[in-house]
Amino acid sequence: DAGVTQSPTHLIKTRGQQVTLRCSPKSGHDTVSWYQQALGQGPQFIFQYYEEEERQRGNFPDRFSGHQFPNYSSELNVNALLLGDSALYLCASSGTANNEKLFFGSGTQLSVL
Amino acid sequence: AQSVSQHNHHVILSEAASLELGCNYSYGGTVNLFWYVQYPGQHLQLLLKYFSGDPLVKGIKGFEAEFIKSKFSFNLRKPSVQWSDTAEYFCAVNANNNDMRFGAGTRLTVKP
Repeated sequence: DAGVTQSPTHLIKTRGQQVTLRCSPKSGHDTVSWYQQALGQGPQFIFQYYEEEERQRGNFPDRFSGHQFPNYSSELNVNALLLGDSALYLCASSGTANNEKLFFGSGTQLSVL
Repeated sequence: AQSVSQHNHHVILSEAASLELGCNYSYGGTVNLFWYVQYPGQHLQLLLKYFSGDPLVKGIKGFEAEFIKSKFSFNLRKPSVQWSDTAEYFCAVNANNNDMRFGAGTRLTVKP
C-alpha cells in the first residue's frame, strides 16, 4: 500500500519562474493538503482540496494555486517565484476532510535562485 | 487567530533522561491535538493524537501527552529517552475541523 508520494523530490528554479509540484495521496484517501515548511520552522498550511475543490486556504498569496484531479491526486502551482518561496513543500492526505489523521509525503525541496 | 507555541527550540538530553516538550495553543472551542515526529531523513509521522475522552493519551514508542484544557496545553512526555528518539517534534492543532496548524517544532538530540 503506497503512502503519499510527491514529485519531484528536488527542484531548482530562478526568480520569476513558475513551478508545479505533484502529489498522489495514500490509497483510499480523498483529501489533500499542502504545506510549506521553511528551514527551521513548522509546516505552514497553504490549502486543502476535497472533491476537486479548494475547501480551505491559509495565508498565502494568489501566486499559490492548486488543483485536484478525479483520482484525488493534486498539484501545487506557484507563479512568479520569489527567493522566499524556497522551502520544503509537503503534501498530506487524509481519509476525511476534517484532518483527523494526516499522512505526509517526503516533500519537494524547492530552491529559488 | 489559531496559533501553536512550542517553547523549546532545541533540547539536548542524555539517554534514560526524562523528556517533556511544551505545547500551548490559542484557540477556543473544540480542538483536536496532535504530536508529529520527523526522524532525520524521514517524513512527518503521527506520534499521538487527542480528540476527546481521557486527557492522557499514549502514543507509539512510549510517548504520552496530557491535554490540560484550562492551560490550553498539550505537553509531550517520555519517562526515559533513547538515542533513537533524536528527531524534530511538532505539535499541531485542528480546531473546529479547520486546517491543521503546526508549531515551529522542537529539535531533540539524545546523547548516547
